[in-house]
Amino acid sequence: QVQLQQWGAGLLKPSETLSLTCALSGGSFTNYYWNWIRQPPGKGLEWIGEINHRGGTNYNPTLKSRVTISVDTSKNQFSLRLTSVTAADTAVYYCARGNNRYPYWHFDLWGRGTLVVVSS
Amino acid sequence: SSELTQDPAVSVALGQTVRITCQGDSLRNYYASWYQQKPGQAPVLVIYAKDNRPSGIPDRFSASSSGNTASLTITGAQAEDEADYYCNSRDRSSNHVVFGGGTKLTVL
Repeated sequence: QVQLQQWGAGLLKPSETLSLTCALSGGSFTNYYWNWIRQPPGKGLEWIGEINHRGGTNYNPTLKSRVTISVDTSKNQFSLRLTSVTAADTAVYYCARGNNRYPYWHFDLWGRGTLVVVSS
Repeated sequence: SSELTQDPAVSVALGQTVRITCQGDSLRNYYASWYQQKPGQAPVLVIYAKDNRPSGIPDRFSASSSGNTASLTITGAQAEDEADYYCNSRDRSSNHVVFGGGTKLTVL
């Protein structure tokens, strides 16, 4: 069964760096886009960014200055780093597999989500 | 980057048909995909590639699109369809991914 398993610290202090990792099991890492998406409590989904298996990245302009997404193809894993977090970064963070076959785009596989709380 | 606009809330009587719409310039190039999200759960893909349903999604879910507007239709809504629904697309010019703000569906 193909699945994404994600993990990382769930409680951070302001100014710290958020770090999450997502691992694919049971499927191919190539020919997809590997994404991070977040959802603040009670709010909608926000795309953070993506990476392909070659390491090419694409970020939400509103977060670009603080975000780094990296990939380790030997482990079928990809990671998110978000620097200088504030309370506004409190959210459930999801990893997801993006399928891009123009003119079709969709997320066909999601992690279970990690709640990250930023509080002093 | 392009934005997608959804009505914040829609209601439907049990067994009736409801349409949830999504508007945005990115939909002129990429078809919308649709996700259902219930409280405390990750989103679930319900429609992709114009009007395809993943395995396990009931055939009462369908989709259509015209110009810059995409629609998700639930024909014969059930109580278990009560959830938040999000549209999603990709902006071809910026290459960024965009989500609609979500529509809360209430089944009366």
